[in-house]
Amino acid sequence: KNQVEQSPQSLIILEGKNCTLQCNYTVSPFSNLRWYKQDTGRGPVSLTIMTFSENTKSNGRYTATLDADTKQSSLHITASQLSDSASYICVVSAETGANNLFFGTGTRLTVIP
Amino acid sequence: NAGVTQTPKFRILKIGQSMTLQCAQDMNHNYMYWYRQDPGMGLKLIYYSVGAGITDKGEVPNGYNVSRSTTEDFPLRLELAAPSQTSVYFCASRGQGAPRETQYFGPGTRLLVL
Repeated sequence: KNQVEQSPQSLIILEGKNCTLQCNYTVSPFSNLRWYKQDTGRGPVSLTIMTFSENTKSNGRYTATLDADTKQSSLHITASQLSDSASYICVVSAETGANNLFFGTGTRLTVIP
Repeated sequence: NAGVTQTPKFRILKIGQSMTLQCAQDMNHNYMYWYRQDPGMGLKLIYYSVGAGITDKGEVPNGYNVSRSTTEDFPLRLELAAPSQTSVYFCASRGQGAPRETQYFGPGTRLLVL
């Protein structure tokens, strides 16, 4: 069964600190993995996309890693800011099928001053 | 480009009422989706469409209907609103449906059924 699991469910960190969010998946055949940021009251916005051959990809203070062998991904946020407070959703695409996107339930990150 | 737009932003319905959630995109995307997101939960697919005139059920289609008469528009219809349909509804679109294509989301419609 194609599934995407994220941990932790929620996280509170102090402004300026780093944090790492986890995503484990069982989607097959795997095509790519995206991390989305969803601000409160808004739709999700894509942060990064990683394919099978990519181990690391950065977008500013966000760095995503992918281990296709263990089917794990992480999103590392450096020097957190208050504006990083949001839900972060891991979405894995399968190679085939019109309905080929599988969503994690997200990690709710709160950055406090 | 306006991207994906949704109306209304917020609506309160009484049990048994009906309404249509509007979704439009101006990116000429073939693929469009409707999701619902309950508090603290992930996105669940209601219906999707791979092109004008073609729709298919997602994970939670009961109580909803869709149509896709044009490439741009993908309305979601609730015929007999129930409290279980209280949720935030997101519309999304994607290009040709290729796995690497980014999925763009609308701002959401918050629906409260009382």
